[in-house]
Amino acid sequence: DGGITQSPKYLFRKEGQNVTLSCEQNLNHDAMYWYRQDPGQGLRLIYYSQIVNDFQKGDIAEGYSVSREKKESFPLTVTSAQKNPTAFYLCASNPTGPLNQPQHFGDGTRLSIL
Amino acid sequence: DQQVKQNSPSLSVQEGRISILNCDYTNSMFDYFLWYKKYPAEGPTFLISISSIKDKNEDGRFTVFLNKSAKHLSLHIVPSQPGDSAVYFCFAGGTSYGKLTFGQGTILTVHP
Repeated sequence: DGGITQSPKYLFRKEGQNVTLSCEQNLNHDAMYWYRQDPGQGLRLIYYSQIVNDFQKGDIAEGYSVSREKKESFPLTVTSAQKNPTAFYLCASNPTGPLNQPQHFGDGTRLSIL
Repeated sequence: DQQVKQNSPSLSVQEGRISILNCDYTNSMFDYFLWYKKYPAEGPTFLISISSIKDKNEDGRFTVFLNKSAKHLSLHIVPSQPGDSAVYFCFAGGTSYGKLTFGQGTILTVHP
């Protein structure tokens, strides 16, 4: 059964620590995305990658980093430079992107900074 | 600068009636629009799309209308069902423009 797996579902970290959120897809999609959801603000694009070893900043990339070493994996690191990291993070993918193909989403990771 | 806006945070509708969700955009470079539905603690799922060469697209109970001159799109759900209760996001993209933008979302509640 193909899909996108985000792990863990809930993540707690102390302030000042870097944390990495996992995103794996077995849909053979080229493009992958990371979004952040905050109450009343919808989904905001953090980073996206259209192909392995290449990625671009989205609207709110500051304080985040990504890598795309494999087609199926697109981990997101929330660094200590991110001022307000507590949020719901969503990973998505589509066959060719970012143009007009619907994105498939994982079920998200809720990150809480203690 | 919010280029895609859903000005109604919430909408409440009786079962069997029509639900109309609205979305406004400011950038004429957007030429592809999608609606997603999201339940709590889950990722959004694709619902229906429309490109700028059309003004209407229909899929079962769901119809999306696009008014390019007004830079406005709407999603109609007829008849509404309690299972439609969710958050609905509109999404805009451009084939020659790298921006991907979601609206803020509208919480739809359908009462039995």
